[in-house]
Order: sequence, then structure tokens, then C-alpha cells
Amino acid sequence: QVQLVQSGAEVKKPGASVKVSCKTSGYSFTGHAMHWVRQAPGQRLEWMGWVNGANENTKYSEKFQGRVTLTRDTVADTAYMELRSLTSEDTAVYYCARDDGGVPYWFDPWGQGTLVTVSP
Amino acid sequence: DIQMTQSPSSLSASLGDRVTITCRASQSIGTSLNWYQHKPGEAPKLLIYAASTLQKGVPSRFSGSGSGTTFTLTITSLQAEDFATYFCQQCDGNPSFGQGTKLEI
Repeated sequence: QVQLVQSGAEVKKPGASVKVSCKTSGYSFTGHAMHWVRQAPGQRLEWMGWVNGANENTKYSEKFQGRVTLTRDTVADTAYMELRSLTSEDTAVYYCARDDGGVPYWFDPWGQGTLVTVSP
Repeated sequence: DIQMTQSPSSLSASLGDRVTITCRASQSIGTSLNWYQHKPGEAPKLLIYAASTLQKGVPSRFSGSGSGTTFTLTITSLQAEDFATYFCQQCDGNPSFGQGTKLEI
């Protein structure tokens, strides 16, 4: 079955960077884009961007433009999210989610989430 | 950006009850609306896509309706495993999410 397995929890200092991985299995990695979403404590889910599985094309939310980089490795069938210049406001659970459906589209499945804590 | 307003933010119900959750978009999105279930520590799970299509494997007590700006998720005959947080997502352009509805016993 389709599975997305994310890397483990991270604790970072303010100003640092974090890179979260999303290892996929059970489907053609290059046939789907991968989205990244985060949820800070007490906040709603927030879309960060997507990376095309077939090429290096990306689209980022304006909020994260310039601070986030989404990449993928088609040999390892893995997507990555790197977020730089971390502040306490970046403390959140980060999810990867496969783009499915075409037009319209939906997210299915999701990874289990990676908690990133930013603390001095 | 399209804003999604979900109501109620929390809901108390009993086993066997029927509940309805509403999601409103700040502009018309056609039927580009999805519903998810989220339990603590787990990955969110797709329930309904394109406003009213039940995802494979999801029990038929879940249903979705609506188009344009107003959408509803209905759960009939609540089961113990249904107590979770539910959120809507619009996918007309850049995706955005409702704030979630916590369904409690």
C-alpha cells in the first residue's frame, strides 16, 4: 500500500535550519507531486508548498518563499523539506502529503508528521 | 487567498448520534473541497474528496455535500472510532484549511 514515512523529531536553536525527509513506497514517485503542510500548536494546518515528483518544479506559499526549499530524490523515492532561519514560531508538526486526483486534487495519503521544536 | 471558516470548532455527541460540520469558503470554489479525519499522533486521513465523493474504504456513514461556498460533512450513527478532529481543505488554487472541528463524546 502507499506509505509516507517521515524522519524523526528535531530540536533546533533559533537561526538554525531543519531538513525533514518523507520516504515513500507503494506507488510511482515520479507520478505525483508532494505537498508539505505544517500545524503549529493551537493553529490550523498551513500549506507550505509542493514539489513535482517528475521534475524539480516547485511552488511555495508566499509566506515561506525564500526560507523553504522542497526537493526530491527519485532514486530514493524520498521528498525533503528544508526550512531555514528558524524562530520559535516555526515550532510545529510538519507533514508531507501526496497530491492525488489531478483536477481537482486532494492529499492522500499523509505522512505521520515530524515535530520540529525551536528553542534556545 | 481563499479563507475557510469551519463550524463548530468543537462538538459534543453520543454514540449513535448524527452530526453535521459546516465549512464556508471566502469565495466560490466549485466542488474543490475535501474532508479529513485527524486523530492525535496519527496521519490525517482523507474521507471525502470533490465535496461529495467517499474515499475508498471509508464507511458510508460519512457523507459530504455542497458546492460554491458552503459545504457540509455529515456523520450518521456515530461510532466510538469517529471521535476525532475533522477539517476541510479547499483545493481551488493554493490549498487552505478550515480550523478544524473536535468531535468529543
